[in-house]
Amino acid sequence: GQQVMQIPQYQHVQEGEDFTTYCNSSTTLSNIQWYKQRPGGHPVFLIQLVKSGEVKKQKRLTFQFGEAKKNSSLHITATQTTDVGTYFCCSNTGKLIFGQGTTLQVKP
Amino acid sequence: GAGVSQSPSNKVTEKGKDVELRCDPISGHTALYWYRQSLGQGLEFLIYFQGNSAPDKSGLPSDRFSAERTGGSVSTLTIQRTQQEDSAVYLCASSPRYSGANVLTFGAGSRLTVL
Repeated sequence: GQQVMQIPQYQHVQEGEDFTTYCNSSTTLSNIQWYKQRPGGHPVFLIQLVKSGEVKKQKRLTFQFGEAKKNSSLHITATQTTDVGTYFCCSNTGKLIFGQGTTLQVKP
Repeated sequence: GAGVSQSPSNKVTEKGKDVELRCDPISGHTALYWYRQSLGQGLEFLIYFQGNSAPDKSGLPSDRFSAERTGGSVSTLTIQRTQQEDSAVYLCASSPRYSGANVLTFGAGSRLTVL
């Protein structure tokens, strides 16, 4: 069935460093969503990308959707301790299937 | 309601017992999902309800798992003859429309511990 592979599984960064997580699919996606789950919390929607090559920004977060609509990335510039959590991509092919997530730890 | 409500928030049961987990989605949301999240792991898709259509049960791990959605609103996930490997957080989410570009709103989850 539809799967999205997400890498890396874990990332430890020093506060102020950048962070990127990647999401890859073997099939073309109609759109892709990103969610953030804080430690002990539940996933919360961040953004949705629909168009080929789309780039969206939310403050220090930059989201990209590949030209072939088979991959996506989330980049955080100058991480802060509030960025700690697990970031999931989610493919939408009728039902919503999540990647394995990337857990970000930020050292102050 | 204002958000997705799940109950119980915590459930401890003995191996072999049956459990029921309840999800009350946001009013008017036609799509409802159940996911399972084991400790430190990702979100495993279990089942998907969309309006009055037959549910997509392709993620249910065994025939001990079942779910229903009554009246297009409240959903119950039932696990029969629980096993220790069923221990996890069960997350429910709802969205406004059947498919396409929909945003999931998650409940706080039901943490199940099977002793």
